[in-house]
Amino acid sequence: EDKVVQSPLSLVVHEGDTVTLNCSYEVTNFRSLLWYKQEKKAPTFLFMLTSSGIEKKSGRLSSILDKKELFSILNITATQTGDSAIYLCAGGKAGNNRKLIWGLGTSLAVNP
Amino acid sequence: EAGVAQSPRYKIIEKRQSVAFWCNPISGHATLYWYQQILGQGPKLLIQFQNNGVVDDSQLPKDRFSAERLKGVDSTLKIQPAKLEDSAVYLCASSLSYTVATGELFFGEGSRLTVL
Repeated sequence: EDKVVQSPLSLVVHEGDTVTLNCSYEVTNFRSLLWYKQEKKAPTFLFMLTSSGIEKKSGRLSSILDKKELFSILNITATQTGDSAIYLCAGGKAGNNRKLIWGLGTSLAVNP
Repeated sequence: EAGVAQSPRYKIIEKRQSVAFWCNPISGHATLYWYQQILGQGPKLLIQFQNNGVVDDSQLPKDRFSAERLKGVDSTLKIQPAKLEDSAVYLCASSLSYTVATGELFFGEGSRLTVL
């Protein structure tokens, strides 16, 4: 059965800290790994990773995929209170229906 | 560019009543998804449309849930009769293409359902 496991489930840090969120996956016909940020509203897209070892970066956020060990990490440096959110990871299956297997998310709270 | 529109934003009903949610995807997006997100969990795909055809409805509880996308644009998700465990946020998402290569789904703000 396909599954995506995120850790930790929740995390509390202080502003300025660096955090690493983990996502491991077991997805048949794996094609891509996606990260989304969910605040009080809908999830918003952060990254899509398809190749192993190539870091994707957007400001203070970066992510990398390891297809051999079947995991991805999302790093956030110099955290701000606005980074407080649930971070969702999803494994994308190859094929025509683009099915995503979602993790439960990591709830991040950044305290001032 | 207008985003994915959903309504109503909030709905409170009693068990065994019915409810309907509406979604208007981003213009030109062929693929539309309905997800159910229970508090503390990741989104669960209920149904996926490609234009007006169903691609995946394997996790849709068909005895009480139904969805349609008649003209390949707007979609409606209905629950009848509702159960307590249907309390959740119902997220609609759309994407330009059904291929995995592009990856990005655009989500609406969700419809929060509370069943009493």
